[in-house]
Amino acid sequence: NAGVTQTPKFQVLKTGQSMTLQCAQDMNHNSMYWYRQDPGMGLRLIYYSASEGTTDKGEVPNGYNVSRLNKREFSLRLESAAPSQTSVYFCASSPGTSYNEQFFGPGTRLTVL
Amino acid sequence: AQSVTQLGSHVSVSEGALVLLRCNYSSSVPPYLFWYVQYPNQGLQLLLKYTSAATLVKGINGFEAEFKKSETSFHLTKPSAHMSDAAEYFCAVSPYSSASKIIFGSGTRLSIRP
Repeated sequence: NAGVTQTPKFQVLKTGQSMTLQCAQDMNHNSMYWYRQDPGMGLRLIYYSASEGTTDKGEVPNGYNVSRLNKREFSLRLESAAPSQTSVYFCASSPGTSYNEQFFGPGTRLTVL
Repeated sequence: AQSVTQLGSHVSVSEGALVLLRCNYSSSVPPYLFWYVQYPNQGLQLLLKYTSAATLVKGINGFEAEFKKSETSFHLTKPSAHMSDAAEYFCAVSPYSSASKIIFGSGTRLSIRP
């Protein structure tokens, strides 16, 4: 079991460029999440997908889009990157039943110049 | 709205000393609470989870946390710190209104002095 995998691990973009962060899980989980982590601010939820076919906004969705491609995969897209989106991005998954813990990927470190 | 507050962004203890990381929550109903640990350059992993079955919860690596409703606290402790415990620790709460979501505190970085 690989758990939750994320690609790429590192990325540098110029302002205005676009990119997609990929996430996949092999635990047959129903729910998947995208967070960003910034110093002193903990993790903030960007978008989540409670089940295949559904997506919902989290705390900080502006500037991002997501796609739940299938049960395994959940991608995060930056259409026009801005320096404020420099952060570490984490994908997570959970079984989706009540109050289950989430399992995290290793993260993608993104720098926008 | 439910939230968690972690007191102290940085805690430093000597190896072998007691570790105490503080977390207070706000919730109008009994919450589900979590402690996660993040080692450098890694994702988060679950240390322990409170789901109302028992107020004292034991987790991995010798950590435990006690749910105190009267104090709205869920502090994390370990009797004797080890160098390998150096990491960032996050307290989190699962909102009653949305069981599949988790709200994280801002984190406490734990340093261990030799």
